[in-house]
Amino acid sequence: DQQVKQNSPSLSVQEGRISILNCDYTNSMFDYFLWYKKYPAEGPTFLISISSIKDKNEDGRFTVFLNKSAKHLSLHIVPSQPGDSAVYFCAATLTGANSKLTFGKGITLSVRP
Amino acid sequence: DSGVTQTPKHLITATGQRVTLRCSPRSGDLSVYWYQQSLDQGLQFLIQYYNGEERAKGNILERFSAQQFPDLHSELNLSSLELGDSALYFCASSPHTGTGANVLTFGAGSRLTVL
Repeated sequence: DQQVKQNSPSLSVQEGRISILNCDYTNSMFDYFLWYKKYPAEGPTFLISISSIKDKNEDGRFTVFLNKSAKHLSLHIVPSQPGDSAVYFCAATLTGANSKLTFGKGITLSVRP
Repeated sequence: DSGVTQTPKHLITATGQRVTLRCSPRSGDLSVYWYQQSLDQGLQFLIQYYNGEERAKGNILERFSAQQFPDLHSELNLSSLELGDSALYFCASSPHTGTGANVLTFGAGSRLTVL
C-alpha cells in the first residue's frame, strides 16, 4: 500500500520557468511533510518541509504548499535552474516517537538550459 | 559530506552469499534508519534503531537483520542473497528526541549487486 504517491515519474521544464512537483498521501494521520533531493551517486538531501498546521512554507526559490483536505502537497521551484535537475522525493511522517519517514517513488526533474 | 558514513560504496556478490553493510551516524545522532531503494521503487523503510534498541520495523525480510552498537554505528546483515536483493541501501540518522519533527540525514548509500 503506497501511502505517499508521486504519480508523475518525470518532469522537464525550461530554465527560468516554474517547476511544480506534486505529491499525494493517503494516511490522514501524517502531520509533517518533507521534500528531499537526490543527485546520482549521492544520498537524498533534505530540501524543505512543512507542518500540517501550515499551508505554505517558503525557502528561497523553493515553496511547498499543503492542501490537507485534498491530502496533496506540491513543491514549486521558481526560477528553475539546470542545477535543480535531480530526483525529488516527497516524504511524510508523524511527529513524535517512532517517526520514520514514508517516501514516494520520486520524480525526475530535468531543467533544460 | 552529510556526516553519515556508509561502507562499502559498492559490493558485488553471488546468490546465496551473506554481506554486511556498515553505517556510522552523524555525530550526536542517536537514531539510525535503514532504507532500500530498488529499481523504479522509492525508498522502502527497513528498520530503525534508537540508542542501541530496535524502535520500528518496516518491510524487512527475515533473511535481513540489523543492530546498533554501543558506539551508535549500525550494521545491516543480508543473508541467503537473491537476485532481487540487488538495490541501493541507504542509512540515515537523526537526533530523534521523540518530540517534534524528524528530519533524517542520509548517507551516500551502498550499492549491492547480486549475480
